[in-house]
Amino acid sequence: SAVISQKPSRDICQRGTSLTIQCQVDSQVTMMFWYRQQPGQSLTLIATANQGSEATYESGFVIDKFPISRPNLTFSTLTVSNMSPEDSSIYLCSVVRAGSREKLFFGSGTQLSVL
Amino acid sequence: QKEVEQDPGPLSVPEGAIVSLNCTYSNSAFQYFMWYRQYSRKGPELLMYTYSSGNKEDGRFTAQVDKSSKYISLFIRDSQPSDSATYLCAMVFSGSARQLTFGSGTQLTVLP
Repeated sequence: SAVISQKPSRDICQRGTSLTIQCQVDSQVTMMFWYRQQPGQSLTLIATANQGSEATYESGFVIDKFPISRPNLTFSTLTVSNMSPEDSSIYLCSVVRAGSREKLFFGSGTQLSVL
Repeated sequence: QKEVEQDPGPLSVPEGAIVSLNCTYSNSAFQYFMWYRQYSRKGPELLMYTYSSGNKEDGRFTAQVDKSSKYISLFIRDSQPSDSATYLCAMVFSGSARQLTFGSGTQLTVLP
């Protein structure tokens, strides 16, 4: 499995501010994704982070709210912009390694609370 | 109807019990099936991966897939307090992890 470092591990933020979450992988991966996990709910895919180009967002998620960067094959950031209490969730970076198209490996997650 | 339905739990069992965790699905195109374990305040960890009907065993864990009934199960033998976690089933068509569909998770507590 890949070693996926995600930070911060948790944060408490004020309404209207933004938070950038970083994801660093120990080796090159073919795909990187960002997920959200709301309390008591399953994982929801936010977007696919594309290296060197704009991310591909899922229905219900937009770039203005969740801008994503992926400058190289091993690093990506997710920003949660203009936060509201409804954004309180766990945000997870996940990757697919070469030769393993279906297996997702996850980072440890960022627990975000918005007051 | 959700594509993947998972027994919601929570489930509480004594140490040493056999645990059965279950998911049903509606889309017969799913071909790859996974179980993830998620400890509190951690990301999900891939526990079992299978792509065929039948059983796959790994230590105390057995993943069972019945494609004809669209039903998958995870069995944990000789359960331990360290098995206390949320278990998520997941499944996908061939070829793309982007289309992975997750169950809502079952919270398991194994009491010493």
